[in-house]
Amino acid sequence: AQSVTQLGSHVSVSEGALVLLRCNYSSSVPPYLFWYVQYPNQGLQLLLKYTTGATLVKGINGFEAEFKKSETSFHLTKPSAHMSDAAEYFCAVSEGFQKLVFGTGTRLLVSP
Amino acid sequence: KAGVTQTPRYLIKTRGQQVTLSCSPISGHRSVSWYQQTPGQGLQFLFEYFSETQRNKGNFPGRFSGRQFSNSRSEMNVSTLELGDSALYLCASSESGTGPGQPQHFGDGTRLSIL
Repeated sequence: AQSVTQLGSHVSVSEGALVLLRCNYSSSVPPYLFWYVQYPNQGLQLLLKYTTGATLVKGINGFEAEFKKSETSFHLTKPSAHMSDAAEYFCAVSEGFQKLVFGTGTRLLVSP
Repeated sequence: KAGVTQTPRYLIKTRGQQVTLSCSPISGHRSVSWYQQTPGQGLQFLFEYFSETQRNKGNFPGRFSGRQFSNSRSEMNVSTLELGDSALYLCASSESGTGPGQPQHFGDGTRLSIL
């Protein structure tokens, strides 16, 4: 079965600083990987996805992630944090038909 | 296009009762999945429907059931409610659902509280 590990339940950065959220996966088959963001009292919004092809994936709101097979990682980055980026971020791997296995989430705190 | 719509947004029930939650997918989407989100267990997959057929099921007891209608709308039912069923229930839809890499689009969820 696939699984996802997100290191760090909370990450704090200053506005304008680099954002790095870590995600490692375990999969017996080539993985399909996703990053979602959740704002308070809302559902999940897709940031980006990796299926096949280019290993550097660009998403919305300036986020990007790099698929590294050798490290089984799919870390999410953003060069410069904005106050509006404060939210909870979930990494997920696809397992079978439309079943996502999620990590435990990382809450991003952005200070002025 | 309108997004995924879940109703109601909030629901309060007591132990032993049953509840039905509704999900309308994005127009044209035929696959609907349900997830439970709790502080303790995180996001967990309940089940997925495509063309009125359940194709995938998570590890939840039989008290949790669902169905999908011909217009792709889906309902989820929980019978004999327990305190531990208090959670945010999220519905997600995707287009054809024929491949594992298709992104899922989530609704804002139904927050169920059990007293």
